[in-house]
Amino acid sequence: ELKVEQNPLFLSMQEGKNYTIYCNYSTTSDRLYWYRQDPGKSLESLFVLLSNGAVKQEGRLMASLDTKARLSTLHITAAVHDLSATYFCAVLNYGGSQGNLIFGKGTKLSVKP
Amino acid sequence: DVKVTQSSRYLVKRTGEKVFLECVQDMDHENMFWYRQDPGLGLRLIYFSYDVKMKEKGDIPEGYSVSREKKERFSLILESASTNQTSMYLCASSPDRGGGYTFGSGTRLTVV
Repeated sequence: ELKVEQNPLFLSMQEGKNYTIYCNYSTTSDRLYWYRQDPGKSLESLFVLLSNGAVKQEGRLMASLDTKARLSTLHITAAVHDLSATYFCAVLNYGGSQGNLIFGKGTKLSVKP
Repeated sequence: DVKVTQSSRYLVKRTGEKVFLECVQDMDHENMFWYRQDPGLGLRLIYFSYDVKMKEKGDIPEGYSVSREKKERFSLILESASTNQTSMYLCASSPDRGGGYTFGSGTRLTVV
């Protein structure tokens, strides 16, 4: 059974600082998504990582995937208040229920001035 | 713009009521999903469907059923609502089995 773990679950950052969110998963998969959710809103897709070594960047966010370690990271560079949100990673499940995403519990990021 | 529309943003129902949550997508997607989101638990899969009239149980199907009579519509049914079904419900669709979900805006259901 595929399990997805994110850490930390809560992250309070100061503006201008760097930090990394980690996403570990338990069984083989080669497709991983990162989503952002603002309070009271739905989920917005940020990145899809499709292969080992994949790296995607947009603005101050950079995501990478290591399928051998079953690990993805979301790196935040020089955080700004606008990045405050909850971030989810989701891994494609190739098991019994093929084609659905298994989500981590989310990392609630708060960026303070 | 592609869209997944959930019919209600907020819903308050009484214990024991039968509740219907509706989801419609206009992207001709094959696959549709229902998740519930609770603080500290993330998103958990309730049911999903890969085709019209097909349905498969997710991780937490107990107390729920679904209906997919048309490709664009996927309904979640709470047969007899209970207070522990108070939650945010999110519908999503995807064109294939590779992920790539588009989410609806969610329905916050309160059962009193």
